[in-house]
Amino acid sequence: AQRVTQPEKLLSVFKGAPVELKCNYSYSGSPELFWYVQYSRQRLQLLLRHISRESIKGFTADLNKGETSFHLKKPFAQEEDSAMYYCALSNNAGNMLTFGGGTRLMVKP
Amino acid sequence: DAGVTQSPTHLIKTRGQHVTLRCSPISGHKSVSWYQQVLGQGPQFIFQYYEKEERGRGNFPDRFSARQFPNYSSELNVNALLLGDSALYLCASSLVLGLELFFGPGTRLTVL
Repeated sequence: AQRVTQPEKLLSVFKGAPVELKCNYSYSGSPELFWYVQYSRQRLQLLLRHISRESIKGFTADLNKGETSFHLKKPFAQEEDSAMYYCALSNNAGNMLTFGGGTRLMVKP
Repeated sequence: DAGVTQSPTHLIKTRGQHVTLRCSPISGHKSVSWYQQVLGQGPQFIFQYYEKEERGRGNFPDRFSARQFPNYSSELNVNALLLGDSALYLCASSLVLGLELFFGPGTRLTVL
């Protein structure tokens, strides 16, 4: 069975501070991991996926297979980063995403 | 394109009733997925359809069913509603299997 754990329900930081949203996964196959974000009153949308290895809005995430983690990082948080963040894992067939419980990021001025 | 659309926006039902939720994917997208999001939790996979065929089913009882139509729109049906079915039901579409999911705004179902 595949499982995604986001240990923090809420993360509060000041503007300009570094941010790390934690994500751990459990999966017996080759994992494909994603971060989805939901801004206030907006739809859930893809932020980044590990295979693309790109930085989106200053965020990066590295897949660590040894630690089974896919933490989301940003060196300097902005107020507009305040949102709900979900880590998600795809099965090998690509037909199912397993989401974590989500972390609410609050960036204070 | 308005993106993925879902109807209705909100719905209130009583226990034992039946409900049908509808989803229209982004034009050109052939895959539709359904997720249930209970308050305070992440979305949980219910079904995926691709080219009108069921390609995946999550751990939900048989009271939950879905279908995809020739125009790629989809319906989610839930029979014999329980209080625990109260949730936000999200529909997502993708061009093909395995690509980025585009989510709709959701249908908020309340079961009394």
